[in-house]
Amino acid sequence: AQRVTQPEKLLSVFKGAPVELKCNYSYSGSPELFWYVQYSRQRLQLLLRHISRESIKGFTADLNKGETSFHLKKPFAQEEDSAMYYCALSHGSSNTGKLIFGQGTTLQVKP
Amino acid sequence: NAGVTQTPKFQVLKTGQSMTLQCAQDMNHEYMSWYRQDPGMGLRLIHYSVGAGITDQGEVPNGYNVSRSTTEDFPLRLLSAAPSQTSVYFCASSLAGTSGIEQFFGPGTRLTVL
Repeated sequence: AQRVTQPEKLLSVFKGAPVELKCNYSYSGSPELFWYVQYSRQRLQLLLRHISRESIKGFTADLNKGETSFHLKKPFAQEEDSAMYYCALSHGSSNTGKLIFGQGTTLQVKP
Repeated sequence: NAGVTQTPKFQVLKTGQSMTLQCAQDMNHEYMSWYRQDPGMGLRLIHYSVGAGITDQGEVPNGYNVSRSTTEDFPLRLLSAAPSQTSVYFCASSLAGTSGIEQFFGPGTRLTVL
């Protein structure tokens, strides 16, 4: 079954501490993985996608096919990073605009 | 561009009532989707469309209908509201493609069914 798992509902860190939001997936085929973020009172928006190998707002994520993981990392958390983060998977070669989301992790960065 | 718009922002219904959640996009996107967001469950796909006149079911379609008569609009109809449909509903749209396609989300509709 296709599934995305985010094991932590809440991750609380102090400003300047490293952050790692975990994401594991189950998918037979070539998935495409994304991280979406929802800041308070804002709409859900794309943070980054594995295919671009980009760093956005200091965040990076590496697709590890052996461990079926796509963890989101940032070396030094900022208060403005506080938000809900969703890991999501789409069907790569047969993309129809559908996403499978994880349960979401709330990141709380304390001053 | 307004992007993806949804109306209403909030709605309270009684069990058994019907209503339509509106979604529109002005980006000429082929794909449109409806998700519901529930605590601890993330977002789950209700219905989706890959173009005008084409719709299909997602993970949790029961109790909902959709149609796509134009590229711009993708309304979601609740036929007979139930308390289990209390949720936040998000509409999304994206271009067609096969790699790294970004979905654009609307602001959401918070629905309460009493």
